[in-house]
Amino acid sequence: EDQVTQSPEALRLQEGESSSLNCSYTVSGLRGLFWYRQDPGKGPEFLFTLYSAGEEKEKERLKATLTKKESFLHITAPKPEDSATYLCAVQIARDDKIIFGKGTRLHILP
Amino acid sequence: KAGVTQTPRYLIKTRGQQVTLSCSPISGHRSVSWYQQTPGQGLQFLFEYFSETQRNKGNFPGRFSGRQFSNSRSEMNVSTLELGDSALYLCASSPLANPTDTQYFGPGTRLTVL
Repeated sequence: EDQVTQSPEALRLQEGESSSLNCSYTVSGLRGLFWYRQDPGKGPEFLFTLYSAGEEKEKERLKATLTKKESFLHITAPKPEDSATYLCAVQIARDDKIIFGKGTRLHILP
Repeated sequence: KAGVTQTPRYLIKTRGQQVTLSCSPISGHRSVSWYQQTPGQGLQFLFEYFSETQRNKGNFPGRFSGRQFSNSRSEMNVSTLELGDSALYLCASSPLANPTDTQYFGPGTRLTVL
């Protein structure tokens, strides 16, 4: 069964304390993996697309990496404004269907 | 450039009724996708339209349907509402044929079924 699992469910960090969020997937062929950020009361905001193992993308304090089984979203020296829920999604090559993980709620303390 | 707009923002219905939600994509975007978000199941893909054609559909019952108009605006309809249909319904648009690549989400319609 195609599945996407994100961990941890919630993470509290001090401002400046770097960490990583994990997205592991089991799908029958990956077309792409996507990271989104969602603030309370708003729709998700697109961050990155990764297509193949070994690929990396960066944006400000965020860096996304991809292996054949999982993706990491590394956050370096986070600030309180980085607090949000981070969502991972995969698109399955077989039928282009999209599966989202449940998300990681990140809270950065000042 | 205006973002994705969804109307209405909030809606309260009772079981058995039907509801129609509307989505206006960013100007020039031809792909529109719909998602359901609940605390228990998270975000789940409903369907995707490109140039008025449904290109993909998630695992939802036939009570959930949608369409896209020639101006790329889209509507989704849920018939015979159930309590479990209470959710945030999100619409996303993309300029590309592969919709998940650089999707822009609207603020959502919060549907409550009593």
